[in-house]
Amino acid sequence: AQSVSQHNHHVILSEAASLELGCNYSYGGTVNLFWYVQYPGQHLQLLLKYFSGDPLVKGIKGFEAEFIKSKFSFNLRKPSVQWSDTAEYFCAVNAYGQNFVFGPGTRLSVLP
Amino acid sequence: EAGVTQSPTHLIKTRGQQVTLRCSPISGHTSVYWYQQALGLGLQFLLWYDEGEERNRGNFPPRFSGRQFPNYSSELNVNALELEDSALYLCASSLTRDTGELFFGEGSRLTVL
Repeated sequence: AQSVSQHNHHVILSEAASLELGCNYSYGGTVNLFWYVQYPGQHLQLLLKYFSGDPLVKGIKGFEAEFIKSKFSFNLRKPSVQWSDTAEYFCAVNAYGQNFVFGPGTRLSVLP
Repeated sequence: EAGVTQSPTHLIKTRGQQVTLRCSPISGHTSVYWYQQALGLGLQFLLWYDEGEERNRGNFPPRFSGRQFPNYSSELNVNALELEDSALYLCASSLTRDTGELFFGEGSRLTVL
């Protein structure tokens, strides 16, 4: 069965700091990978996704993620966070014909 | 284009009661997923329906059940409610079972007293 782990439960940063949120998954086959964001009081939205090709994918709002197959990782990065990035971030994996599995989430608090 | 819609948005029930939550996927989407988001527990997978069939279910007791209708809308039923069922229940849809991303609704907030 697939599983997803996220390295940090809660991350606190000051504005303009760089962000990296870790995500690892366990599944031996080909997977699709996603990062979703849930802003306070809003529904989950897709930040970015990886299906195939260039392992460095760019998403909305300046976020990017790198798929490292050998490490089963899909870490999310942003060079300079803003207060408006305060949210909960979920990594998710989906294999062909399988349901989506989400990580436990990382709460990001950005201090102005 | 309308997104995923869920109803009701909020509801309060007492222990032992039953509840039905409803979800309408994005037009043209055939796959519907249900997740439970309890405080501090992330998204726990409940059920996955595609083309009217249950494709998979998560590690929840049988009192959690659901179905998908011919128009691809779905409902989630929870019988014999317990206090720990209090959570946000999220529905998501995807175009097909093998493509792309999930689109989420706003959720149904269930409080069990």
